[in-house]
Amino acid sequence: EIVLTQSPATLSLSPGERATFSCRASQSIGSGLAWYQQKPGQAPRLLIYDSSNRATGVPATFSGSGSGTDFTLTISSLEPEDFAVYYCQQRSYWRFGQGTRLEIK
Amino acid sequence: QVQLMQSGAEVKKPGASVRVFCKTSGYTFTSYSVHWVRQAPGQGLEWMGVINPNGENTIYAQKFQGRISVKSDMSTSTVYVELSSLRSEDTAVYFCARDFYDRGFDYWGQGTLVTVSS
Repeated sequence: EIVLTQSPATLSLSPGERATFSCRASQSIGSGLAWYQQKPGQAPRLLIYDSSNRATGVPATFSGSGSGTDFTLTISSLEPEDFAVYYCQQRSYWRFGQGTRLEIK
Repeated sequence: QVQLMQSGAEVKKPGASVRVFCKTSGYTFTSYSVHWVRQAPGQGLEWMGVINPNGENTIYAQKFQGRISVKSDMSTSTVYVELSSLRSEDTAVYFCARDFYDRGFDYWGQGTLVTVSS
């Protein structure tokens, strides 16, 4: 069983700052990682697939990178609407990481 | 436009079963698998199972083996999940989601709250 570990659990930043989220797999998953954003009371939204490809309609401020066991989601300049919870997901049995909460500092 | 519309909230007693429906539209139903994901209050996302486009194959998370069933009805473009032997820990919002060629879930239902309480 491949486990995804996200860090940090909570990220406190201000609008305009850069946000970096980490997702680490317990064994290599190649580039088979997706990232989601979830706001309170809403379904998750696909942001990134195959580690680095932006989904349709996702702003260019979002980028993903990594392969093997270490992956990163970056938001280059935070907008007020970006404050949410972010999850990574692997292709193997579609398991999710535990999430990182991005809160306003 | 692609839509996944889920059935309404349910309240069930421990030991009962529940079915949650997901009616899809706006795309060719037989071209995409559909997954089920749940989220307990204040918790993260938990993948439950998937059914392939023609409804002939399913894969379930080991945690739910033996008490989960996912079925599809091509005539109505609807998928449903049935969870049996409910316990309080099954209280959660249940989401259906379309599989984007095994790269992620690109469209989601609005979620269905299932409450298990005596």
